[in-house]
Amino acid sequence: GAVVSQHPSRVICKSGTSVKIECRSLDFQATTMFWYRQFPKQSLMLMATSNEGSKATYEQGVEKDKFLINHASLTLSTLTVTSAHPEDSSFYICSAAPGQGQGYGYTFGSGTRLTVV
Amino acid sequence: GEDVEQSLFLSVREGDSSVINCTYTDSSSTYLYWYKQEPGAGLQLLTYIFSNMDMKQDQRLTVLLNKKDKHLSLRIADTQTGDSAIYFCAESSSSKIIFGSGTRLSIRP
Repeated sequence: GAVVSQHPSRVICKSGTSVKIECRSLDFQATTMFWYRQFPKQSLMLMATSNEGSKATYEQGVEKDKFLINHASLTLSTLTVTSAHPEDSSFYICSAAPGQGQGYGYTFGSGTRLTVV
Repeated sequence: GEDVEQSLFLSVREGDSSVINCTYTDSSSTYLYWYKQEPGAGLQLLTYIFSNMDMKQDQRLTVLLNKKDKHLSLRIADTQTGDSAIYFCAESSSSKIIFGSGTRLSIRP
């Protein structure tokens, strides 16, 4: 079945630095990828929809200059947390699906635990 | 906007059936999903149901959909310790998925 690989699985960085998280679809092409953020014991909050070859669509309240999304190819989307601060510490998860992502085709990565110290 | 709600906790005895309930508000939902998340891991799609279906069964899992009441349930038969996890209900009507808050299922001996 469809596999989505997300790296790194865990990262600790110093406050003020930037961190890049990669999301790859291994056996299918993903026109659309999604980035979620999950706080402890809470649900997944959609941050943005990443579209190959075009700008990402950010959800209300998500700072596009802080969370940079690049979807340069049909198999790779990256999320860069710029000038990270402790409040950015969270679990970030990507998902991808073939085509426009409708229906049962969503596959999730294993997540990235970001800790900003 | 769209909203998906589910209870936060459920505790069942090993071997019993677990029933996790979910309600949603979007009447134009096309697909409804159940995802499983184990500690520190991503989400695993357990099953999904198309909005024109009432029921779907897959081995120990049974999904019931009451579209009129916008109610979705997941029944896990013969619950095992390995079923301990957080279960997320989700719906989609376009290209994005809206998740519920998750139900933490714990199994007692």
